[in-house]
Amino acid sequence: QVQLQQSGPGLVKPSQTLSLTCAISGDSVSSNSAAWNWIRQSPSRGLEWLGRTYYRSKWYNDYAVSVKSRITINPDTSKNQFSLQLNSVTPEDTAVYYCAKSYSSGWYLVFDIWGQGTVVAVSS
Amino acid sequence: SSELTQDPAVSVALGQTVRITCQGDSLRTYYASWYQQKPGQAPVLVIYGKNNRPSGIPDRFSGSSSRDTASLTITGAQAEDEADYYCYSRDSSGNHVFGSGTKVTVL
Repeated sequence: QVQLQQSGPGLVKPSQTLSLTCAISGDSVSSNSAAWNWIRQSPSRGLEWLGRTYYRSKWYNDYAVSVKSRITINPDTSKNQFSLQLNSVTPEDTAVYYCAKSYSSGWYLVFDIWGQGTVVAVSS
Repeated sequence: SSELTQDPAVSVALGQTVRITCQGDSLRTYYASWYQQKPGQAPVLVIYGKNNRPSGIPDRFSGSSSRDTASLTITGAQAEDEADYYCYSRDSSGNHVFGSGTKVTVL
C-alpha cells in the first residue's frame, strides 16, 4: 500500500524559501509509471497543481506557469522521497500543500495517493 | 489555460440521487477524474477514466462524459457522502486544472 508522509515547517517569512519533503513508502520515486506531484489549496485559488518530477529513463520536471520562476521539485533516490522548494514567498503562497502520486493512461491522468497535507502560512 | 466549471453547491435527500457536473473544453479530449474532500482531510480519488472506481469506493459513485461535460453521480446518497467534490483534467497544452468544487449537502 503506497503512502506519502509530508514534513516541513508550517510558517515561512515573506521573501524566504518554502521547503517541504514527501517520503514515499510502498513505491519508488524512480518508478517508470508514476509521477510525484505537489498541489496546494487555498480559499482564493482552490486546488492548484504546482509541478511534478518523474523518471522515464531520465528525470523530468514539469511546473505550473504561475510558479515556474520560483519552484524546484527534486527527487531523492537515496531516501525515496521528493521535495518542494518555492522561493521568494509572499502571503499569497499561504495554503495547504499536498504531495500526490499520479499516473496516466491514454486519455486520463489521476492523483491516486495523497499526502496528509501541510498547512503553510507566510507571515513575518 | 483551460478552466473547469462546477456548480458551487447542491443538496440531496438521504437515499436519493445527485449529479455533479464539470464543464470545460479539455473534457472534449481528456477524461475527468473526481475527488472527494471532507473537512480537514486530503482529497480522495473516487472516479477516473470512462467510469472507473478505485478499490474501496462504493458502487453508488459513477461517472459519465458527454462532449465538454463530465458528470459524477451518487445513486442513493448517504450521510457520509457529504463533502466537497472536485473534478480534474489535463489539457493538450500540458496544463493540469482542477474545478472550483461542488459542496454536496445530504439532507
